[in-house]
Amino acid sequence: DQQVKQNSPSLSVQEGRISILNCDYTNSMFDYFLWYKKYPAEGPTFLISISSIKDKNEDGRFTVFLNKSAKHLSLHIVPSQPGDSAVYFCAAKPGANSKLTFGKGITLSVRP
Amino acid sequence: ETGVTQSPTHLIKTRGQQVTLRCSSQSGHNTVSWYQQALGQGPQFIFQYYREEENGRGNFPPRFSGLQFPNYSSELNVNALELDDSALYLCASSPLIHSGANVLTFGAGSRLTVL
Repeated sequence: DQQVKQNSPSLSVQEGRISILNCDYTNSMFDYFLWYKKYPAEGPTFLISISSIKDKNEDGRFTVFLNKSAKHLSLHIVPSQPGDSAVYFCAAKPGANSKLTFGKGITLSVRP
Repeated sequence: ETGVTQSPTHLIKTRGQQVTLRCSSQSGHNTVSWYQQALGQGPQFIFQYYREEENGRGNFPPRFSGLQFPNYSSELNVNALELDDSALYLCASSPLIHSGANVLTFGAGSRLTVL
């Protein structure tokens, strides 16, 4: 039973354009949603988070949108850069110290 | 400030053997979690340790066990290895807080291959 779903395994965008990475969840108890980025041979690194009481959080080129009624969130990267090419994981948890539930990840390729 | 370090980075075992993976948490972090990432999957929660006690466990059998030491470092032990245990094992640390996203800091992982 996958509680966090990233249905598209890969995405390819042109440098300078917008990248939109989508994520759906099924557990209504999730309180916090996080995005992690992973390069080969490295551990996941935290990118941005949003709590369930907000619908948008922005940090530089990265913005996360949360639609609780649809149980859907998305990560927008504008403008996309070749260094953004990595695997992006959507993750969620029901409390501050709870376990993270991850999606399968999406491989983003940004073409120069 | 040092990050999360894991050892060994790679190892190969045969079915039925036992393995111990090690993790040093980030300075100032007192909680350690372990995750298993199989090929093509996202990380899956194994268990979490706080104050040397297990305080949360995912859907993994008892042959997966762990320890946390007074300096907050940790070990993951897997007995009676099976082929499906082949995966990247990630250790993550965090402080214990009572609100907020409480971001986990991950190590680079230990890649285990079971033949």
